[in-house]
Amino acid sequence: GDSVTQMEGPVTLSEEAFLTINCTYTATGYPSLFWYVQYPGEGLQLLLKATKADDKGSNKGFEATYRKETTSFHLEKGSVQVSDSAVYFCALPPLDDYKLSFGAGTTVTVRA
Amino acid sequence: SQTIHQWPATLVQPVGSPLSLECTVEGTSNPNLYWYRQAAGRGLQLLFYSVGIGQISSEVPQNLSASRPQDRQFILSSKKLLLSDSGFYLCAWSGLAGPSYEQYFGPGTRLTVT
Repeated sequence: GDSVTQMEGPVTLSEEAFLTINCTYTATGYPSLFWYVQYPGEGLQLLLKATKADDKGSNKGFEATYRKETTSFHLEKGSVQVSDSAVYFCALPPLDDYKLSFGAGTTVTVRA
Repeated sequence: SQTIHQWPATLVQPVGSPLSLECTVEGTSNPNLYWYRQAAGRGLQLLFYSVGIGQISSEVPQNLSASRPQDRQFILSSKKLLLSDSGFYLCAWSGLAGPSYEQYFGPGTRLTVT
C-alpha cells in the first residue's frame, strides 16, 4: 500500500544552521505530498504541500520539492531559528482511501 | 473560514472511569472526521474515521469507541479507561478524500490515566 518513510531523528541544530529532513514515498499514481509541523503541546499544522511532480511547496522559509524520479519530498530550511523546534511529519493521501499515511515524525530541536 | 475545536484541553482520569472527548468543526459541511492518538514521543495512530453521520470506521481494536451524532460533531468515548489510553488525542477534518485534500487538525486533548 501507499506509505511514506521519514528520517526519524531526533535532530539537534544550532540557530542559523541548515536543516534537511528526508522523506521518501511509495504510491500508486502521483498523489499530493504534505509536510505537517507540530509545535510543543499543539495539534498538527499543514506546513506546505505539493500537488504534482516537480512542484515546490514553500512556507515560513521551508521548502520541499516533489521528485517523482527519486520518489522523495525532502524538507529543507536554510537558516533555522529556535522557534522552528517542533516535530515534522511527512504525509501522503492514498488515491482511493480517506486516510493520510504519515511518516513516523522527526523531532527537531534548535539551540540558540 | 473553517475552525475545529476540541475539549477538554487536558484531562486526568483514574483507571476504570469513563471518557468522553468532543470535537466540533465550524465553517464546512459534511466533512470527513478523524480521531488520532499520539503516545508520548511516538507517531500518529489513526483510531477512527467517519464519512457521514452515524458512519464510523474503526482502525484498531481497543476499548475506545466513536460516534458522530451530528454532521460536524465527533465524539470519542470509553466505558472504562486503561493506563495505556494515556496520550494526546487529536481530531481532524478533511473535505473530500483523494489525492489533493489535506486534513486539518484540532488543538488536541492531553489525557492522563492514573
